[in-house]
Order: sequence, then structure tokens, then C-alpha cells
Amino acid sequence: GENVEQHPSTLSVQEGDSAVIKCTYSDSASNYFPWYKQELGKRPQLIIDIRSNVGEKKDQRIAVTLNKTAKHFSLHITETQPEDSAVYFCAASNPFSGGYNKLIFGAGTRLAVHP
Amino acid sequence: GAVVSQHPSRVICKSGTSVKIECRSLDFQATTMFWYRQFPKQSLMLMATSNEGSKATYEQGVEKDKFLINHASLTLSTLTVTSAHPEDSSFYICSAHLTGGGRNEKLFFGSGTQLSVL
Repeated sequence: GENVEQHPSTLSVQEGDSAVIKCTYSDSASNYFPWYKQELGKRPQLIIDIRSNVGEKKDQRIAVTLNKTAKHFSLHITETQPEDSAVYFCAASNPFSGGYNKLIFGAGTRLAVHP
Repeated sequence: GAVVSQHPSRVICKSGTSVKIECRSLDFQATTMFWYRQFPKQSLMLMATSNEGSKATYEQGVEKDKFLINHASLTLSTLTVTSAHPEDSSFYICSAHLTGGGRNEKLFFGSGTQLSVL
């Protein structure tokens, strides 16, 4: 089955700096890669997603890149703000194994943005 | 966006008792819902896929007799933790997606249930 690895586990940046979180996946048939932000004790919130037919997607300060050959994808947050502090999870799904929404999650990255 | 309601948000129970957690899609129908558990500072681990009108599909290592899943309608799935033990203490969270979604479908999460077994 799918296995998703995520790095780093913790990331500390100064306000205004950029943050990059990287994930790799094992199932070459996976083609949907969402990113979630989770604050303590709350539900994960979808912040951006990418499908395998594109290599990059951007939404204001957030961007995601995908390299299907290498089977890795990354989240980029620019001009970080203290409210970006949270745990971020990447995920992958194989539509031929449970559908687009049977997500396998990475271990998470705890991002701390210091003023 | 669509709303998924999960209840209760927090439950404390004695060891050996059973606890039922409800997951409802409030403004859409969901033929499929997913149940995850999350230990402190860890990732979301998929437990099972709940299918309306049929048996749930459990992930490897998840005891189906301990974690009973019922998806009796298009808007409700329940997870019952039977004979709970302290090691079952965890954050349980459900997710649901729109029926007949296709490539633009999104996954919506419930607010989670913090289970503490004494």
C-alpha cells in the first residue's frame, strides 16, 4: 500500500521567512496530493491540493510542487506569519485503491513562526 | 463549504465500557466516510472506510470486532469502541466526501472526538 514520508518533523522560522515541507510517496499510481493544516485539538483544514496532471499550484502565499518522476511533493509558504504556526500534514491517494479520498497521511510537520 | 458534524467532542469513560461516536454530513450525502485515529503529536492513521449500506473496510491491524462501524444512512456513520481500555484513548476523527463527486470532490473532516479511558 501507499506510504508517505514527511520532513522535517519540526520547523522553526522567523516571521517573514519562507518555510518548505517535503513529502515522498511510494505508490506510483497515486495522483492526488492534498495538504492540511491542523491546530491543536481541531480538525484538519485543507489548504491546498494538487493533482498529478500539473507540476505546480499556487494560492497567495502557499504553493505546492509535484515531481511525479521522483515521487515527491513539497509545500512552500512564503512571508510566514505567526498565525501560520500549526501542524501541517501531506497526504496522497490512489484513485484505484479506495478512491480519491482514501488519504494516507504523512507524519506531520510542526511549524513555529516566531515574531 | 460542506459541514461534517462529529459528536461527542470529548468523552471520558471507564475501562470496559463501550463508547459510540457519531459522524454526520449536515448538508450533503456521503456514501463513503473514513475513520481515523490520532495519538498526541502523531499523524492521522486510517482505521476504516465506512460504506453506506455495506460492511466497513478495515485497515490492516485494526480489530473490526473492537471498532464497530455502522453507516446506516447517507448522512450518518457511527464508530463504537467496544470494551474500551486505556490504550484506546486517542483523538478519533471522521471524514466524508460528496456523493458522486468526481475529480473535483473534496474531503471534509469532522471536529474530532477526544476519548479518554480511565
